[in-house]
Amino acid sequence: AQSVAQPEDQVNVAEGNPLTVKCTYSVSGNPYLFWYVQYPNRGLQFLLKYITGDNLVKGSYGFEAEFNKSQTSFHLKKPSALVSDSALYFCAVRDKNPGNQFYFGTGTSLTVIP
Amino acid sequence: DVKVTQSSRYLVKRTGEKVFLECVQDMDHENMFWYRQDPGLGLRLIYFSYDVKMKEKGDIPEGYSVSREKKERFSLILESASTNQTSMYLCASEVNYGYTFGSGTRLTVV
Repeated sequence: AQSVAQPEDQVNVAEGNPLTVKCTYSVSGNPYLFWYVQYPNRGLQFLLKYITGDNLVKGSYGFEAEFNKSQTSFHLKKPSALVSDSALYFCAVRDKNPGNQFYFGTGTSLTVIP
Repeated sequence: DVKVTQSSRYLVKRTGEKVFLECVQDMDHENMFWYRQDPGLGLRLIYFSYDVKMKEKGDIPEGYSVSREKKERFSLILESASTNQTSMYLCASEVNYGYTFGSGTRLTVV
């Protein structure tokens, strides 16, 4: 069975400091991996994805994530956090067949403290 | 850019009412999905559709049905709304292996 774990419900970081939001996954075969962000009372917005190729993926708003196959992780990172980065972040995984459903983590609430 | 539009941002309905949540995408995509989002539970898949008039049950289909008469429109139906269906409902369309989400509908059943 496929699953995604986001071990931290809440992450707090000071503005200007680096941030990491953790994600581990369990999937048969090679996965597609995604990060989405959600602002209050809005839908989810795409940040970045790993399909194939370079393990370090760069996405929107200065975020990046590293695919680590041996650790089955896909942590989201940003070198310098902004107050406007405060939001709910979701990691998601799916297998490679088009139309197969996503499996989402339960989300991590990021608060960037001024 | 792909646009996924959910017709209502906020809805308040009474217990027992039949509720329709509409979702429209503008890029002729085949695969569309309905999720509900609840605190601490993340996103849970209700129904999805691979094409017109096709539908598949997700993880929590009970109390819901769907309709896809045209490729661009995927409707979620609450046959008889109950208070435990109070939630945020998110529609998504599949594009480039990923999803584009609508803005969500926050439904309150009283």
